[in-house]
Amino acid sequence: DVKVTQSSRYLVKRTGEKVFLECVQDMDHENMFWYRQDPGLGLRLIYFSYDVKMKEKGDIPEGYSVSREKKERFSLILESASTNQTSMYLCASSSYRGPQGYGYTFGSGTRLTVV
Amino acid sequence: DQQVKQNSPSLSVQEGRISILNCDYTNSMFDYFLWYKKYPAEGPTFLISISSIKDKNEDGRFTVFLNKSAKHLSLHIVPSQPGDSAVYFCAAGYALNFGKGTSLLVTP
Repeated sequence: DVKVTQSSRYLVKRTGEKVFLECVQDMDHENMFWYRQDPGLGLRLIYFSYDVKMKEKGDIPEGYSVSREKKERFSLILESASTNQTSMYLCASSSYRGPQGYGYTFGSGTRLTVV
Repeated sequence: DQQVKQNSPSLSVQEGRISILNCDYTNSMFDYFLWYKKYPAEGPTFLISISSIKDKNEDGRFTVFLNKSAKHLSLHIVPSQPGDSAVYFCAAGYALNFGKGTSLLVTP
């Protein structure tokens, strides 16, 4: 079964810490995405990548950076964690399926709490 | 500015009846639309999609209707079951612009 794996389900970090959220997919997908989900705000796109070493800002990139050194791995980095970055973080990958459009698969999410 | 909007934050339906979830979008360049279902503490799971060249797509109990002139799509679930209780997200575009979600509760 195809998978997007996020390294941690739950994380608690202190304000000011550098935080790494890791995401790995085993489907050879070209595209990978990081979203955060907050109550009443839905899923908001932070960053995405359409190829190795390529990255594009989403709707809310401030306070985040990303790294994609290998096709299967897409990392989200919080350079200096703040309490307003407490959220559920979701990674997804996708590839083009022709007439069916893009097929997207999501990871199970990482619940990050910044204290 | 949000390009995909779900204006109903919640919906309650009796088991066996039809659930209709609505979604509006502003970007006429969107050519592909998806519906996702999400349970708490889990990632979204794909439900059904529709291409902009179609106006209807059906998969079992789930049907999505697209009205391009109105920039509106809807998800119909018939018959609704208690296991359908979840948050439903509408999404569109290459990088998946999501609506804020509609929480569906199906009561026995």
